[in-house]
Amino acid sequence: NAGVTQTPKFQVLKTGQSMTLQCAQDMNHEYMSWYRQDPGMGLRLIHYSVGAGITDQGEVPNGYNVSRSTTEDFPLRLLSAAPSQTSVYFCASRGTHQETQYFGPGTRLLVL
Amino acid sequence: KNEVEQSPQNLTAQEGEFITINCSYSVGISALHWLQQHPGGGIVSLFMLSSGKKKHGRLIATINIQEKHSSLHITASHPRDSAVYICAPTGNQFYFGTGTSLTVIP
Repeated sequence: NAGVTQTPKFQVLKTGQSMTLQCAQDMNHEYMSWYRQDPGMGLRLIHYSVGAGITDQGEVPNGYNVSRSTTEDFPLRLLSAAPSQTSVYFCASRGTHQETQYFGPGTRLLVL
Repeated sequence: KNEVEQSPQNLTAQEGEFITINCSYSVGISALHWLQQHPGGGIVSLFMLSSGKKKHGRLIATINIQEKHSSLHITASHPRDSAVYICAPTGNQFYFGTGTSLTVIP
């Protein structure tokens, strides 16, 4: 199993550009989440999904969209990048009963 | 809002020392996770516990649900233990502490 994969590993954007961060898992997990990690702050939940076709907002959803068309994939879209979205983004997945979360390797995003 | 407080924020230890990292939380939870993040690296789950104590090798995690407190202990610390350790209480959602940065000096 590859676990949770994320692409790209690193991205530089200009303000106003859009892009999609990819996340995939091969563990047949129902729950998938996107977090951002900023210096001095804990991981913050952006969006999450409890299964294919179901998504919901987390703590900091503004400026981001998600979709869950399959169990495996959970892409995060930045609609119009802003410097405040400079961060490290982690995708995570887990099974149904609050089991261990598996994290992807992260995507480091710089918005100029 | 600070649902999760970790202490200390930074910790430097000599190789071989016994290390304790503390986590206090204010939310109702059903379980608590301890995560490890190496510099520039991904995040790995070390423990998930809902009561008592768990031990994996040199790592021991304890939790007191009534006092809303958990500790992570590292016995005979080693430079490869240098990482950020994150406490993550879990109820309806995951909450995360800001992490404890540990450096173990040879």
